[in-house]
Amino acid sequence: SAVISQKPSRDICQRGTSLTIQCQVDSQVTMMFWYRQQPGQSLTLIATANQGSEATYESGFVIDKFPISRPNLTFSTLTVSNMSPEDSSIYLCSVRDTAGEQYFGPGTRLTVT
Amino acid sequence: KQEVTQIPAALSVPEGENLVLNCSFTDSAIYNLQWFRQDPGKGLTSLLLIQSSQREQTSGRLNASLDKSSGRSTLYIAASQPGDSATYLCAVSDSWGKLQFGAGTQVVVTP
Repeated sequence: SAVISQKPSRDICQRGTSLTIQCQVDSQVTMMFWYRQQPGQSLTLIATANQGSEATYESGFVIDKFPISRPNLTFSTLTVSNMSPEDSSIYLCSVRDTAGEQYFGPGTRLTVT
Repeated sequence: KQEVTQIPAALSVPEGENLVLNCSFTDSAIYNLQWFRQDPGKGLTSLLLIQSSQREQTSGRLNASLDKSSGRSTLYIAASQPGDSATYLCAVSDSWGKLQFGAGTQVVVTP
């Protein structure tokens, strides 16, 4: 299994600002995933982050709004840019092991006022 | 486009009863299926992973079945306890590891 940590665990931000969320894994992984969980909803995949290449975004998500960095095999960041109240969500990163099982970080709870 | 449905949306049972949670998906071309548990305000905990070639997986009081051809999975939790109260999420994965989640079943086990 993988142990994943995220920073910050929660934040309250003002409209129009940006927040960068960090995700750290205790082992090297090829692919990392970023998900969003809006209030009362299930999880939706934002993008897949591979080390050494551009992130791949799902329909409805764009790089200008959610830029992602993946500088090495244990770390990734997701930035939520130019925030609006609609961005208030829990943001989670995940990794997949060689057996295909996925593990999630504890999440970052973002509130935009 | 893959769609994942979980029924029921909510379930309340007295302690000791068995729980049966259902998950269906529209595209049978899945890589695997995973059941998660989510406690309020927390992240996801992996419960069981079923590979597409498998029919069943068991871990303690938990048993999950998979019928890929009919697009269904069922999670059974035997002899429920108040600590089993949580939201249970079903997710199917493609070969790239992208997960498509159901909306979840919110379970309450009353003492």
